[in-house]
This record gives sequence, C-alpha cells and structure tokens, in this order.
Amino acid sequence: GAGVSQSPSNKVTEKGKDVELRCDPISGHTALYWYRQSLGQGLEFLIYFQGNSAPDKSGLPSDRFSAERTGGSVSTLTIQRTQQEDSAVYLCASSLSLAKNIQYFGAGTRLSVL
Amino acid sequence: SQQGEEDPQALSIQEGENATMNCSYKTSINNLQWYRQNSGRGLVHLILIRSNEREKHSGRLRVTLDTSKKSSSLLITASRAADTASYFCATDADGGFKTIFGAGTRLFVKA
Repeated sequence: GAGVSQSPSNKVTEKGKDVELRCDPISGHTALYWYRQSLGQGLEFLIYFQGNSAPDKSGLPSDRFSAERTGGSVSTLTIQRTQQEDSAVYLCASSLSLAKNIQYFGAGTRLSVL
Repeated sequence: SQQGEEDPQALSIQEGENATMNCSYKTSINNLQWYRQNSGRGLVHLILIRSNEREKHSGRLRVTLDTSKKSSSLLITASRAADTASYFCATDADGGFKTIFGAGTRLFVKA
C-alpha cells in the first residue's frame, strides 16, 4: 500500500516568506508526527496529532510555526516569515495510534531559506 | 537535551564484521525503538523492545535493553555494505507519546 507522502520534496524560499509543507499519512493511521532534522543531526520533535484530540505542540520552536490536520488525515506544517535557521529537512511520520507508535516516515521536505 | 544519546557518533568497519551501537536515555520508558536512515531522508523502523524485555532478535539484528542502566545496544552481525546508514534510538520520554530521538550513529561498512 501507499506509504507516507510529503510534498514538496525540496523547497527553496527567500528569508521572510511563508512556506507550507504537506504530509499525507498512511490511510487508517490516526497518529501523525512532524520532526525537523538539521544537517548531520538527530530528529527534533515538533508536534503530534492523535485523532481528534488536541495536538501536542510542545516541540514547536516559535510562534512562527504552526500545523493543522484536516479531517484526521492530511497535515500541513506552516512556517511564517522564514529565517535561515529554519533550513532543515522536515520529516513527517504516521502510526496506527500513539500507543502503537511504530512510526512510518515520509521521505521529507528539504527546506532551504536563502 | 536529548533523551537518547548514541555512542559512537561514527563507526567504520569492514564487511563481515559485527557493528555495535549503544544508546543511553534519561527518563523511564515504556519501549525503545531503533530506526535506520539512508541518505538523510526518511527513517525506517528496525525493531522495538519493551521495557519488560531484555533482548530481542530480528534477522541479523540483536537489541538489548538494560532499564537499570537506562541503556540499549544494537548489534548488527555479519555486516554488509548495504548496512551503511545512520542508526537512531528513540524512546517515549517518561512513558508518554512524544518520541524522542537521539543524535544517531553513522555506520560505514567498507566492501
């Protein structure tokens, strides 16, 4: 079956512009996660969604970052007024539920802020 | 600070040798997972070990967990060039649902 799909795969933007990153989770997976990975580093947790529950936003680095998940499926991560330090790979993952938390990852979006 | 810290940061071995990577964490956990990442893109789940388990095998992979020392190890036996990748441990910090990843071990297997 289809895996986690992220788009775009690469995004180059100018400092100060807003960007939207999209994630299509595996069908039937109720939990969805966003992570950020800087070059050569580990994954930094940003946010997770579980069904219709309020998301855990504790990892979002600033109020320029926001995410939503419509209809319990597709999620969009928005970064407003991008800064050069936002340059990273943004990874999305989904799992059957938070409790069954083996995560399936998309290929990521590589964001470059010039 | 990171919940999981891998050791070593980088490892270079010859094909056929065994590779051992270690992970330490700080808080109590329900489970610990190991993931692999090729070329800085998506991660692939390798194995999950629960807090009440001490050892688990999957093919050429062997994972151990010592909750008293808050540490885990991943052993890859008879390594292959295709095993070249970064390996991350991940834990559910304080038994919650947030998954915390370590900084990873970069493994290079020379053919």
